[in-house]
Amino acid sequence: QQKVQQSPESLSVPEGGMASLNCTSSDRNFQYFWWYRQHSGEGPKALMSIFSDGDKKEGRFTAHLNKASLHVSLHIRDSQPSDSALYFCAASLRGNNAPRFGAGTKLSVKP
Amino acid sequence: AQTIHQWPVAEIKAVGSPLSLGCTIKGKSSPNLYWYWQATGGTLQQLFYSITVGQVESVVQLNLSASRPKDDQFILSTEKLLLSHSGFYLCAWRTPNSDYTFGSGTRLLVI
Repeated sequence: QQKVQQSPESLSVPEGGMASLNCTSSDRNFQYFWWYRQHSGEGPKALMSIFSDGDKKEGRFTAHLNKASLHVSLHIRDSQPSDSALYFCAASLRGNNAPRFGAGTKLSVKP
Repeated sequence: AQTIHQWPVAEIKAVGSPLSLGCTIKGKSSPNLYWYWQATGGTLQQLFYSITVGQVESVVQLNLSASRPKDDQFILSTEKLLLSHSGFYLCAWRTPNSDYTFGSGTRLLVI
């Protein structure tokens, strides 16, 4: 049973557009969330962590967490071709528990 | 600055042959270390974690074993490879701000 579900599976946006990725947890015990980005052939890199309800903004990236609905999203504004990658949502019970990863969203940004 | 190094970068091995993959982290004492496995284009599955030398916990059974012979070293191994072991193996450590930093991975093809 997948406890961290991501949608869509793949997403294509034009350069300069907005990309929106979604993640829902089926386990109410998950309290800590991360977004990771993985370019082909590389290890994943942490983009953002979000542990509290509301928005968290870092540059072109904004994460939103709603713990009541167990939903976290990632919005990328002014998308660039270099943003093309596999994006993973990850969630854990506590900060020092290794996170459970979703299946990923493949983002393609077309020039 | 902490660095995480995995070796080898890639391996092609025969079914039934042994395997040993390594991970070293420098610049951090007593790190929490993790092994993940990723099928091509797939999600990340946690395999093992270790919080101290000589202590390793298994998360899933995939006919693999792990050891922590030194504070900065984490080894993944098996005596007999299966076709299903093919994939991308990633070592990670938990940073003080609870992000998980991954190495660049080892790509394994079992034939």
